[in-house]
Amino acid sequence: GQQVMQIPQYQHVQEGEDFTTYCNSSTTLSNIQWYKQRPGGHPVFLIQLVKSGEVKKQKRLTFQFGEAKKNSSLHITATQTTDVGTYFCADSNQAGTALIFGKGTTLSVSS
Amino acid sequence: NAGVTQTPKFQVLKTGQSMTLQCAQDMNHEYMSWYRQDPGMGLRLIHYSVGAGITDQGEVPNGYNVSRSTTEDFPLRLLSAAPSQTSVYFCASRSNRDPGNTIYFGEGSWLTVV
Repeated sequence: GQQVMQIPQYQHVQEGEDFTTYCNSSTTLSNIQWYKQRPGGHPVFLIQLVKSGEVKKQKRLTFQFGEAKKNSSLHITATQTTDVGTYFCADSNQAGTALIFGKGTTLSVSS
Repeated sequence: NAGVTQTPKFQVLKTGQSMTLQCAQDMNHEYMSWYRQDPGMGLRLIHYSVGAGITDQGEVPNGYNVSRSTTEDFPLRLLSAAPSQTSVYFCASRSNRDPGNTIYFGEGSWLTVV
């Protein structure tokens, strides 16, 4: 079935270092969404990418959609302790009626 | 607006018991979904609905029933709880009129089956 793979599963960085998580699919993605979940919290929508090669920025976060629409990345510049959490990418199911999530990348940051 | 409201927040069940997780949204969203989250497994889709009276199965539907009698409510029923259903459950909703396809999640229901 349709599946998005995320790597790495875990990442630990020192505060101030950069962080990147990758989302890959064997099939072309209609769009990709990114979510952040703080420990003990619920997923919160960050962004949606739709166009091939699209790049969007939110302050220190940069989101990219691959040219072939089969991969995406989330890059955080100069991480802060507030960036701690699990980052998920998600793709629509074939009917576009629900989201299928990757397994997430859990980021920990030490100060 | 309250957004997506889930109850209960915490529940302990004995194997074989039944229960219903409630989910309500006040945003007039057409699409609603239930996910379960387990360590290392991410969020897995259980059931979803595209409107009142319409439901469909997701990735892991076995052991769960849903109904959508109103736009606002989407309860998830466990007919005979099993320890494998110990998990955190999230309800989510979105509008099919939102070009950004933003999904809104409830705060989660922590279920333990002993």
